Amino acid sequence: AQSVTQLGSHVSVSEGALVLLRCNYSSSVPPYLFWYVQYPNQGLQLLLKYTSAATLVKGINGFEAEFKKSETSFHLTKPSAHMSDAAEYFCAVSYNQGGKLIFGQGTELSVKP
Amino acid sequence: NAGVTQTPKFQVLKTGQSMTLQCAQDMNHNSMYWYRQDPGMGLRLIYYSASEGTTDKGEVPNGYNVSRLNKREFSLRLESAAPSQTSVYFCASTQGAVETQYFGPGTRLLVL
Repeated sequence: AQSVTQLGSHVSVSEGALVLLRCNYSSSVPPYLFWYVQYPNQGLQLLLKYTSAATLVKGINGFEAEFKKSETSFHLTKPSAHMSDAAEYFCAVSYNQGGKLIFGQGTELSVKP
Repeated sequence: NAGVTQTPKFQVLKTGQSMTLQCAQDMNHNSMYWYRQDPGMGLRLIYYSASEGTTDKGEVPNGYNVSRLNKREFSLRLESAAPSQTSVYFCASTQGAVETQYFGPGTRLLVL
């Protein structure tokens, strides 16, 4: 079955440090890939998406992600963390089946002053 | 422009009670989805409607039913609530497979 794995349910970084959140998908067929962010007690909002154009995708709030087919990965990065980045981040894939998304388990990002 | 709205925001039910969660979108999207979110499990698809007049099961459909009332509205019904259905429920909509899914604010359901 197709699946998405996010390594690390909790990641803690210091303010100003690099943020790296890992995501791997299981299919040999490249899917469409998404990163969503969820702030406390809110719904999800899109950070960025890969839809077979450029492999390096830039999103909102300074985040970016690189699609690596050979590694079946789509890791999310940000050069310098801000306190406001503290949230839960979800990686998701779509195989164009009615637009259904398959979500990873989520990674909670904490940012220390 | 309200986007995706959900009602109620919070609900407490007793085991065996029924209820309907309402979802509406004002973006003229074709596709709508119901997810549940549980700690450590991400979001799991319950049911979806790829277009008006169609509905299909997702990953965890047992214990739920849905109705795509019209293009704007997609409701989720729990006929006989169970404690295992305690969760946060999100509705989402999108225009297509590679398009952004827009999420509602969620409904927190507690089944005692």
